[in-house]
Amino acid sequence: KAGVTQTPRYLIKTRGQQVTLSCSPISGHRSVSWYQQTPGQGLQFLFEYFSETQRNKGNFPGRFSGRQFSNSRSEMNVSTLELGDSALYLCASSASGGDGYGYTFGSGTRLTVV
Amino acid sequence: GDSVTQMEGPVTLSEEAFLTINCTYTATGYPSLFWYVQYPGEGLQLLLKATKADDKGSNKGFEATYRKETTSFHLEKGSVQVSDSAVYFCALSDTGRRALTFGSGTRLQVQP
Repeated sequence: KAGVTQTPRYLIKTRGQQVTLSCSPISGHRSVSWYQQTPGQGLQFLFEYFSETQRNKGNFPGRFSGRQFSNSRSEMNVSTLELGDSALYLCASSASGGDGYGYTFGSGTRLTVV
Repeated sequence: GDSVTQMEGPVTLSEEAFLTINCTYTATGYPSLFWYVQYPGEGLQLLLKATKADDKGSNKGFEATYRKETTSFHLEKGSVQVSDSAVYFCALSDTGRRALTFGSGTRLQVQP
């Protein structure tokens, strides 16, 4: 079966712009989570959606937002981009987002802010 | 809060050597524990998991045992291959939180 698909793979944006990243989970998975990976901070949890509802949120400013559609696809938006937002953004899907199920990750979107 | 501590890398081994990557954790509930692997330019792949104390996760020759008494989940492999070269992340998901807390990652380099 198809894995988690993230688009685009690479993005270059200018400081102050906004960006939208997309994630299509594994068919049947209803939970989608987003993570930011940087060399300095490592992997950090952004938020998790289940059946179009945000269930959990990490410690990121309000410039970072997301949503989930009825087909479980999710988008993440970052407004007023800063240089420090340059990172690999990873999406993960899970059947239920439960603790023991594990998560399947996509290949990520590499965002560069210049 | 929850935290995961991994041994610093890089770890450099010769092919067929024994591998151990240490991982300890702090959690308030009863977490599930995971090892993920990341190859260059790719996302994370789930390597193995354990959901309760004394569980042993295993996959592709890698093993890790959930040790509640020492709050550890060390990754081991008896004989590494060049193809095992990657970054390995230990992670936990605490009860009801529905989010992964990751360690800093350990880069493994296996030389032929």
